[in-house]
Amino acid sequence: ILNVEQSPQSLHVQEGDSTNFTCSFPSSNFYALHWYRWETAKSPEALFVMTLNGDEKKKGRISATLNTKEGYSYLYIKGSQPEDSATYLCAFIYYNQGGKLIFGQGTELSVKP
Amino acid sequence: DSGVTQTPKHLITATGQRVTLRCSPRSGDLSVYWYQQSLDQGLQFLIHYYNGEERAKGNILERFSAQQFPDLHSELNLSSLELGDSALYFCASSARQGERYGYTFGSGTRLTVV
Repeated sequence: ILNVEQSPQSLHVQEGDSTNFTCSFPSSNFYALHWYRWETAKSPEALFVMTLNGDEKKKGRISATLNTKEGYSYLYIKGSQPEDSATYLCAFIYYNQGGKLIFGQGTELSVKP
Repeated sequence: DSGVTQTPKHLITATGQRVTLRCSPRSGDLSVYWYQQSLDQGLQFLIHYYNGEERAKGNILERFSAQQFPDLHSELNLSSLELGDSALYFCASSARQGERYGYTFGSGTRLTVV
């Protein structure tokens, strides 16, 4: 049985704080890891797709790293803003599994002004 | 608007009934995926269609079925509904190599079984 685990489950920070979350996944048969941002009452939105060990991706104040050998990915948010408040989901794809995403439970981020 | 259209947005129905959820993928996307999010659970994969053919199946109940039509829209049929089927049902679409470029999700259908 595959487990994709995310920590922490929830996080409350002040505006301007930098923060990071962890996604742990099986290190065997890795194909890709996705990060999604999910705001309340909206649909999950793709942030990053990571496929190679050592990948680092950046979009504005948000960045992510990937370590496939040890099975983890970090998502960083620099200088959090209230509009960053959302649930951040990571999803793992096994090799040769038809693109099936296996999601973690998510990290719920709340940024207070 | 993500480009993936799901209808209806909300559905309330009684136990034992049958419902159909509809998904129109983003223009040009051939793959459609269905996911279920129940209370306190993460998004659970149900089924994947590519250009009309079933490609992968998750823990989808026998009471549930899906299909993708020639115009690429997909329908998820849920029958003999139980209280536990109440959930948010998402569909997502992707181009051929979606696993390397990301998926586009619709806004979901919230199903409430009473």
